[in-house]
Amino acid sequence: QLQLQESGPGLVRPSETLSLACTVSGGSVSSNNHYWGWIRQPPGKGLEWIGSIHHDGTTFRNTSLRSRVAISIDTSQNQFSLRLSSVTVTDTAVYYCARLGRIAAISQGDFDYWGQGTLVTVSS
Amino acid sequence: DVVMTQSPLSLPVTLGQPASISCRSSQSLVHSDGDTYLNWFQQRPGQSPRRLIYKISNRDSGVPDRFSGSGSGTDFTLKISRVEAEDVGVYYCMKGTHPIAFGQGTRLEIQ
Repeated sequence: QLQLQESGPGLVRPSETLSLACTVSGGSVSSNNHYWGWIRQPPGKGLEWIGSIHHDGTTFRNTSLRSRVAISIDTSQNQFSLRLSSVTVTDTAVYYCARLGRIAAISQGDFDYWGQGTLVTVSS
Repeated sequence: DVVMTQSPLSLPVTLGQPASISCRSSQSLVHSDGDTYLNWFQQRPGQSPRRLIYKISNRDSGVPDRFSGSGSGTDFTLKISRVEAEDVGVYYCMKGTHPIAFGQGTRLEIQ
């Protein structure tokens, strides 16, 4: 059974960089048939896709966050990571990592497996 | 990027009655491969989201047949034929291809 687990600080100061990792077990981030994605959800609000990555390095990012987002993948550790720079209070959210199907390089938009989510609060 | 707009944002429904959620995209979602990657997700309280419908009208495994999706191009609809208590939650339409985009969500509650 595939499992994803987010890890990282639960509190980040304004203007600093939020860093999260997602460790995958029961499967491989080197799968050609999947992207690995980050989604966030501010408290009481809706879902926002942050970005996705394939093990070949192909990366997609939400245009509204692009200048502040970096996503990387480490196949040796079977994990992928998110860095969000210059955070403000509006970046306070539950951050999820999830798996995304890929056929012929096209995202299937399924997000079939999710991590439990981790709340990151931006506060001084 | 494509913007997904849902209505209504709040949907009170009586048990056993039908419900309908509309989703409109700012651009056509027809992909160059001919498919339309419009998906619907359900997020029950305290849970991660799960996909219900993919490519407009295809139900995912285990999804009750009271859920159905329809539409084309830029206009799409999710219908629940008879709402049950377990359907309470927030429903999102979603553009499935990159760059991915979610609608604002529609909160379904039992009245």
